[in-house]
Amino acid sequence: AQSVTQLGSHVSVSEGALVLLRCNYSSSVPPYLFWYVQYPNQGLQLLLKYTTGATLVKGINGFEAEFKKSETSFHLTKPSAHMSDAAEYFCAVSDRWGAQKLVFGQGTRLTINP
Amino acid sequence: DGGITQSPKYLFRKEGQNVTLSCEQNLNHDAMYWYRQDPGQGLRLIYYSQIVNDFQKGDIAEGYSVSREKKESFPLTVTSAQKNPTAFYLCASSMAGPNTEAFFGQGTRLTVV
Repeated sequence: AQSVTQLGSHVSVSEGALVLLRCNYSSSVPPYLFWYVQYPNQGLQLLLKYTTGATLVKGINGFEAEFKKSETSFHLTKPSAHMSDAAEYFCAVSDRWGAQKLVFGQGTRLTINP
Repeated sequence: DGGITQSPKYLFRKEGQNVTLSCEQNLNHDAMYWYRQDPGQGLRLIYYSQIVNDFQKGDIAEGYSVSREKKESFPLTVTSAQKNPTAFYLCASSMAGPNTEAFFGQGTRLTVV
């Protein structure tokens, strides 16, 4: 069975600082990996996804993530945090059969300090 | 604009009553899903449907029911058998097959009193 672990339920950074949100996955088959962002009382919006090919994936709003198979990780980064980045972030994994088997991590709430 | 519409955004019901949450999409997606979100627990899959007139249970289907009579619509009924129904419910859709991400609606917050 697939699973996702997000390290840290809350992360706080200063505006302009590096954002690093950690995600480790478990999958018996090559995974598809996703990062979603959720603003308060809203649905989820896709930030980026890894399917095959290049292991460094660039997404919207300046975020990127690197797939590291040897470490079973897919950490999300942004070089310089902005106040508008404050939200909850979810890492998710699916197998080759697609979104119907999308498994989410527990989420990381990102706070940006002025 | 294409998207997924969930209604209502907020819903209050008395304990013991069934309630139906609406989800409509105009993205021409084959697959649709219902997730439940509780604080600190991420999203858990309730039901999903890959084609019209067919659906499968997810991880927490007990106390819920769905139907898929039209491609565009996937309503969720929270029955009185659901022991703890107060939660944020999210509907999603996707194209069929691998390599596809889910698109989400804005959610319905259900409060049972």
